[in-house]
Amino acid sequence: GDSVTQMEGPVTLSEEAFLTINCTYTATGYPSLFWYVQYPGEGLQLLLKATKADDKGSNKGFEATYRKETTSFHLEKGSVQVSDSAVYFCALSDRTGGGNKLTFGTGTQLKVEL
Amino acid sequence: GAGVSQSPSNKVTEKGKDVELRCDPISGHTALYWYRQSLGQGLEFLIYFQGNSAPDKSGLPSDRFSAERTGGSVSTLTIQRTQQEDSAVYLCASSPKGDHGPQHFGDGTRLSIL
Repeated sequence: GDSVTQMEGPVTLSEEAFLTINCTYTATGYPSLFWYVQYPGEGLQLLLKATKADDKGSNKGFEATYRKETTSFHLEKGSVQVSDSAVYFCALSDRTGGGNKLTFGTGTQLKVEL
Repeated sequence: GAGVSQSPSNKVTEKGKDVELRCDPISGHTALYWYRQSLGQGLEFLIYFQGNSAPDKSGLPSDRFSAERTGGSVSTLTIQRTQQEDSAVYLCASSPKGDHGPQHFGDGTRLSIL
């Protein structure tokens, strides 16, 4: 079945540091890939998405590129801020089995300190 | 505009009781999903409704779990004879249709089984 693997947290960075959160996936078809973010006390929000190989999703300074050859969708940001502290979830949806259900990774907590 | 609305936001109940959780999706969204977020299992898909089609129930963990969607809008997730392992945050999401469009999540219902 489909699965998503992302790096364990928590990840602790200083403000303005470079961020990478690794995400790899296994899927039977041609999935769309997503990063969702959950800020403290808030619900899940879509951060960015990519629907086909080599697509780059970007939002709020975050980027991720859909790499079919390495089955990866790593999240990057050049300069993190304290306000980026949150839990980040990598996810895929695969229509092969019908529907559009999301398969999530376990989440990576990011803490950004001054 | 209004987002996905879930109620109650918190529910505490005794083991063995039945509970009903409600989700009001974004107006016009034909696809509705239920997920569960728990410490041990991360974010798991439970059930998916798309228009008038038969729901995808493949994620429901046992026959104590059921869900309905009336009139293509509001959905209710029912857990019968609750067990302590049912304690989790239950998330509802909706999207305009059952394709790879982004899902919009509610804030969830935090369910605690004593």
